Amino acid sequence: ETGVTQTPRHLVMGMTNKKSLKCEQHLGHNAMYWYKQSAKKPLELMFVYSLEERVENNSVPSRFSPECPNSSHLFLHLHTLQPEDSALYLCASSQDSGLQDRAFFGQGTRLTVV
Amino acid sequence: GQQLNQSPQSMFIQEGEDVSMNCTSSSIFNTWLWYKQDPGEGPVLLIALYKAGELTSNGRLTAQFGITRKDSFLNISASIPSDVGIYFCAGQGTGNQFYFGTGTSLTVIP
Repeated sequence: ETGVTQTPRHLVMGMTNKKSLKCEQHLGHNAMYWYKQSAKKPLELMFVYSLEERVENNSVPSRFSPECPNSSHLFLHLHTLQPEDSALYLCASSQDSGLQDRAFFGQGTRLTVV
Repeated sequence: GQQLNQSPQSMFIQEGEDVSMNCTSSSIFNTWLWYKQDPGEGPVLLIALYKAGELTSNGRLTAQFGITRKDSFLNISASIPSDVGIYFCAGQGTGNQFYFGTGTSLTVIP
């Protein structure tokens, strides 16, 4: 248990569906992250939030829409995804965005787009 | 972007054997991290290295920050079945972003 909880753990969605991934941390951290982990590929940083403001967006397609309503919660809204978007989506948090080396990861949401 | 090459991609070893894996980068890094990821779980940080030449241990794990600042090594001594998982490295250059390796899958045969 790392203190970072992601739901759901598994999600299967059609290309026309709209779904959301949720991440919650109880560590009092100010920075939260979304990563994408595809098979045989390095972990890719998607978004960084610091004190509820987006500070980094690494050229992620607009079909992925993050939301950070407060420093404890982070969402990733999904719509009109493609099969190649199937991957493990990991959330992480750290005390601040300059301390990514001290980040704690959630267990991930395994997403399958059909 | 910066590339990290991690090798080997997979290892099958007998329980009790020592394991060694490494990561190399195309540019100089200021920080090296080593993570382990169990099936169905998120990555967990094992060791962080912040200085060239640094050698740090965490139980049976030892990692080193290469003196060229372009590589790092992770060694596991006397492997046990619970060492099974994927190990991957990450490095940070002059910017704030971390770059990750593709992972080494370790299987320990009892």
